[in-house]
Amino acid sequence: GENVEQHPSTLSVQEGDSAVIKCTYSDSASNYFPWYKQELGKRPQLIIDIRSNVGEKKDQRIAVTLNKTAKHFSLHITETQPEDSAVYFCAASRGDYKLSFGAGTTVTVRA
Amino acid sequence: NAGVTQTPKFQVLKTGQSMTLQCAQDMNHNSMYWYRQDPGMGLRLIYYSASEGTTDKGEVPNGYNVSRLNKREFSLRLESAAPSQTSVYFCATLPTIIYGYTFGSGTRLTVV
Repeated sequence: GENVEQHPSTLSVQEGDSAVIKCTYSDSASNYFPWYKQELGKRPQLIIDIRSNVGEKKDQRIAVTLNKTAKHFSLHITETQPEDSAVYFCAASRGDYKLSFGAGTTVTVRA
Repeated sequence: NAGVTQTPKFQVLKTGQSMTLQCAQDMNHNSMYWYRQDPGMGLRLIYYSASEGTTDKGEVPNGYNVSRLNKREFSLRLESAAPSQTSVYFCATLPTIIYGYTFGSGTRLTVV
């Protein structure tokens, strides 16, 4: 099955700085890569996703890049704010209706 | 429009007890999933149902059973709870892969 590795496991950034989280996947057939944000005690929520036919996607302060050749994808958060503090999960799917998740990155934005 | 509703929100069980976690959705989604979330391990798929009447094992199915009662409801049963099943359980639904999952609010289960 698909194996998704996520790094780093924790990330502390100064407010206003950028944060980058990286994920690698094992199955070259994977074609859908969503990112979820989970605030403390709440459910994961989809924040952005990218498909294998796209190299980059942006939505305001967040962006995701995909390198199919290297089988890795990254989440970039610019101008970080305190409300960006959360656990972020990457995931991958072959389009078979199952998502495989990374272990998560705890992001702390310092004021 | 409640989305995905899980019950109960919290539960404490003794080792060997049984219980059923309930999940119901009102979004008319075909696919439903049960995940468990443990610290440092992300979300791991227990069972899923791609459509009404079908269920399949995920990554960590041992110790669990599921029932897709109808299109709306997908339940997860622990027949004989073990401390290793202490976790947060999330139900999720999916219309198509295009939009990603919608998660329920979770059930925090402790087995003592």
